Amino acid sequence: EADIYQTPRYLVIGTGKKITLECSQTMGHDKMYWYQQDPGMELHLIHYSYGVNSTEKGDLSSESTVSRIRTEHFPLTLESARPSHTSQYLCASRDGNTEAFFGQGTRLTVV
Amino acid sequence: QKEVEQDPGPLSVPEGAIVSLNCTYSNSAFQYFMWYRQYSRKGPELLMYTYSSGNKEDGRFTAQVDKSSKYISLFIRDSQPSDSATYLCAMSAISGGFKTIFGAGTRLFVKA
Repeated sequence: EADIYQTPRYLVIGTGKKITLECSQTMGHDKMYWYQQDPGMELHLIHYSYGVNSTEKGDLSSESTVSRIRTEHFPLTLESARPSHTSQYLCASRDGNTEAFFGQGTRLTVV
Repeated sequence: QKEVEQDPGPLSVPEGAIVSLNCTYSNSAFQYFMWYRQYSRKGPELLMYTYSSGNKEDGRFTAQVDKSSKYISLFIRDSQPSDSATYLCAMSAISGGFKTIFGAGTRLFVKA
């Protein structure tokens, strides 16, 4: 079982609200990632980090932001949620260039 | 054109059947090939990992990579109802900074 945790697991929130999705890992991995996954669609990389104070945008345009102040913590923030942000968000971490360990995901619904 | 193509299924088979899952890709630079299994309402977990061409076997699972055809496969022998999940192929390359590209996933149902 991978030691990477996401909270909350499910979130229903109103349009315009600010939200932060939490992701923590206890494996000491430098590389961390946020993916967006819609049913029947590929995982799309929205943000990644190769270490503390390092963050980059991924391939999928996103209105979210991330921070990496501590190795184990990689939160994702939406300043103003919209219905188009409804999706599943998956956090992952990796040591080296092989296996990525995924969290259980946060299923976000914006109403 | 997507870099990685994967038939989303669903694929329904009886228990005990041999299952073949496939992906094609367009980027010849890909060197690392992975298969992830994702159960409903869970995150993906790594099932098989292969570097370059060839076969790799792990229990009932066999991964094959054919770089000349840009085609990878996952075979599941003696399939079980517990194998019912979505299977995602993934691949990466040194030239891309090891950025992993995922297929859309194939939903598999194994009927008891």
